[in-house]
Amino acid sequence: QSALTQPASVSGSPGQSITISCTGTSSDVGSDKYVSWYQHHPGKAPKLVIFEANNRPAGVPDRFFGSKSGSSASLTISALQAEDEAYYYCSSHTTSSTYVFGTGTKVTVL
Amino acid sequence: QVQLQESGPGLVKPSQTLSLSCTVSGGSFSNTDFFYNWIRQPAGKGLEWIGRLYPGGRIDYSPSLKSRATISVDTSKSQISLRLTSVTAADTAVYFCASRILTPGAFDVWGQGTVVTVSS
Repeated sequence: QSALTQPASVSGSPGQSITISCTGTSSDVGSDKYVSWYQHHPGKAPKLVIFEANNRPAGVPDRFFGSKSGSSASLTISALQAEDEAYYYCSSHTTSSTYVFGTGTKVTVL
Repeated sequence: QVQLQESGPGLVKPSQTLSLSCTVSGGSFSNTDFFYNWIRQPAGKGLEWIGRLYPGGRIDYSPSLKSRATISVDTSKSQISLRLTSVTAADTAVYFCASRILTPGAFDVWGQGTVVTVSS
């Protein structure tokens, strides 16, 4: 199974919105509702920010919005803040009962 | 609140076997809704899913690691273990234990990770 495709980097100014794409196939994102997104500050444990494509766990600000269409998913962060600067990874369950992560996106707050 | 803590040797020689443990605390280890996973991050690279232990004992592995990885459980110690045989420098990574506690199909509780270097 191949990693899901994400842009290497995305940047935005404080207060702006950014969107990170995650492209998979009919064997993962395209056929499964279990798409999730993780925020990772280097040296720390990754943190779940979106599950089931568009649901936020308790405590995650509503500035984080997830969506899915076909074999692609997206994470939008609105009202960008300095603390949002991190790496973001998408993940999907697959038709083989395994999981696959995205290639990762570095978000820079200018 | 469930917490996970990975442990194991930080240095492993090439061709040897890497052995790690993940100790679960703060919750019912044998909860039938809990799934436990091993995930790693090679230096400078992204996250890679290694495998998952289901509540009933079934285990799924990444196709790329299936021939070398073994996940096991010691309920008496509330631990999940990972063994990876015939390691090479490519197995140098931060290894995370992660579980699904509340959120379907996701990893909502993570350990801090443990660094493993493969070098002679």
